Amino acid sequence: DVKVTQSSRYLVKRTGEKVFLECVQDMDHENMFWYRQDPGLGLRLIYFSYDVKMKEKGDIPEGYSVSREKKERFSLILESASTNQTSMYLCASSIPERTLYGYTFGSGTRLTVV
Amino acid sequence: GENVEQHPSTLSVQEGDSAVIKCTYSDSASNYFPWYKQELGKRPQLIIDIRSNVGEKKDQRIAVTLNKTAKHFSLHITETQPEDSAVYFCAARVRGNTPLVFGKGTRLSVIA
Repeated sequence: DVKVTQSSRYLVKRTGEKVFLECVQDMDHENMFWYRQDPGLGLRLIYFSYDVKMKEKGDIPEGYSVSREKKERFSLILESASTNQTSMYLCASSIPERTLYGYTFGSGTRLTVV
Repeated sequence: GENVEQHPSTLSVQEGDSAVIKCTYSDSASNYFPWYKQELGKRPQLIIDIRSNVGEKKDQRIAVTLNKTAKHFSLHITETQPEDSAVYFCAARVRGNTPLVFGKGTRLSVIA
């Protein structure tokens, strides 16, 4: 019963390409997040969104942008891919803090930029 | 902003022994502390969490303790099994609808 779906599991792109990473959740969650995961660096927040057409920068937004046109979909965009963006990208969703809950993660997209 | 430090980065234990992973946080306003387990090639999954008004929480072989005064919290796994081998992440959230801040992870290996 997969609830957060990332469109690609593995992706290989060339330097300078525009890359779209898609994330869809079916839990009607308001909050959605993009993290990148690198060995020894843990999970670092790129962008997040609390509502449709709303976005906030995380800790490492440089080189990335996002789009949230519909509640269930949150897209991460690499405007001009570079080799230092080779990483595992994790999407997550959650509900707002009426009560305290953790995240539901997608399976991740392993992006290689060559 | 919030900063979460996690130790150790790697941990090897014999099957049946206990494992302890420790995290410290910087913002005293943080009030939610989840732990995630990520098996090789899989997504992180929430295994246990604790709120700031609770000092300890247990779920079978897993327990989490929180010391608000010292601003640290720990994951305890007893009677470890090979299937406990994974990367474990701690996280913290400052009150309000703010993103989780994660530690850098601990790779736990349980040796049979």
